[in-house]
Amino acid sequence: DAGVIQSPRHEVTEMGQEVTLRCKPISGHDYLFWYRQTMMRGLELLIYFNNNVPIDDSGMPEDRFSAKMPNASFSTLKIQPSEPRDSAVYFCASSSPLFRVTGGPSSYNEQFFGPGTRLTVL
Amino acid sequence: AQSVSQHNHHVILSEAASLELGCNYSYGGTVNLFWYVQYPGQHLQLLLKYFSGDPLVKGIKGFEAEFIKSKFSFNLRKPSVQWSDTAEYFCAVILTDSWGKLQFGAGTQVVVTP
Repeated sequence: DAGVIQSPRHEVTEMGQEVTLRCKPISGHDYLFWYRQTMMRGLELLIYFNNNVPIDDSGMPEDRFSAKMPNASFSTLKIQPSEPRDSAVYFCASSSPLFRVTGGPSSYNEQFFGPGTRLTVL
Repeated sequence: AQSVSQHNHHVILSEAASLELGCNYSYGGTVNLFWYVQYPGQHLQLLLKYFSGDPLVKGIKGFEAEFIKSKFSFNLRKPSVQWSDTAEYFCAVILTDSWGKLQFGAGTQVVVTP
């Protein structure tokens, strides 16, 4: 398997422009996570999906951020308009539950991370 | 609120020295535990994981971790580090009733000098 794929790997844009980050999870994984990493704040979970449905978006910083997962093999994270403080490395990760029981999973497998997108907003 | 604490933010040590990184979590229920490593300029990679069973877990590259339930701890160890172990190390916890949400510690930057 190719692992989690993210594009672009680097993005440089000007303040006010729209930025779209893309992620392809590992085939068969039904959880997808978006993280942001900065020196100041470390790793932050922005949003995650289960079976293409957003489960928790409490980490999304502002309305300028939005994420979608139109199908099991693709997700986007969009920033509109972008600001310099959005500069960071954005990671996508995917995972699948280790066990499935009635009412929900009882244990979770590790998350596999993509290579990240380094975003610079000037 | 549940949290994951890593005791050291920066560790500097010489090659062949032993390494131990502390990790504590605050949650009384069932957890899955992980250590990830991030080498400079790279993405996070799994070092080891604990779900159940033997509390001493062995991972890749000679790393191991011990789960001590009574102390809510999952400390990472390596008997003899190499220069190539220079990286940032993250402890992470999944609460098994949290639908897979991974909570990361703040990370520990480890620098191994030749």
